[in-house]
Amino acid sequence: EAGVAQSPRYKIIEKRQSVAFWCNPISGHATLYWYQQILGQGPKLLIQFQNNGVVDDSQLPKDRFSAERLKGVDSTLKIQPAKLEDSAVYLCASSLVGNTIYFGEGSWLTVV
Amino acid sequence: RKEVEQDPGPFNVPEGATVAFNCTYSNSASQSFFWYRQDCRKEPKLLMSVYSSGNEDGRFTAQLNRASQYISLLIRDSKLSDSATYLCVVNPGGGGNKLTFGTGTQLKVEL
Repeated sequence: EAGVAQSPRYKIIEKRQSVAFWCNPISGHATLYWYQQILGQGPKLLIQFQNNGVVDDSQLPKDRFSAERLKGVDSTLKIQPAKLEDSAVYLCASSLVGNTIYFGEGSWLTVV
Repeated sequence: RKEVEQDPGPFNVPEGATVAFNCTYSNSASQSFFWYRQDCRKEPKLLMSVYSSGNEDGRFTAQLNRASQYISLLIRDSKLSDSATYLCVVNPGGGGNKLTFGTGTQLKVEL
């Protein structure tokens, strides 16, 4: 069974530029998550979708971050404009409703 | 107070040693508990769920003390391949299936 797919794997941008990350969850998984993991810390939930609706985006910095899951399958996370403190790994994850959460390999962002 | 607190380590232990990790959580209404393992530059992967009755999977034993809001992971007969960061994870409840992670405890198993 294919896992959670993410792209790009690595991205280096200058501050104030924009970047977008894409995620394709495991087939059939209704719930999709975006987590941010800063070096030395545990992952922090940014946003959770159930199908194409947002369940929780309380920790998403909405002035610069946006995410969508238009058709209830794949998702895009955008940062505009990026700040130095946005340097992190952006982990996409998916699950069946109420079940084990599986993570993708992550998209590594460096803002210089 | 952090929602999930762990000693960041690192724990450096010789092969064959027994090592224990502890974790505390702040939300007494939390519903479910897990240990995830994260290898260097890799994604977190579920190691095991944690139940009130305690559970064991080979060399790994997890325990939960709801009264003290405390979770533990015991690894017996450590292997070099156990070297990783172990993340204590809590589902805080309140609807939805979401996870709150601790900062992780780094384990290094040495020859």
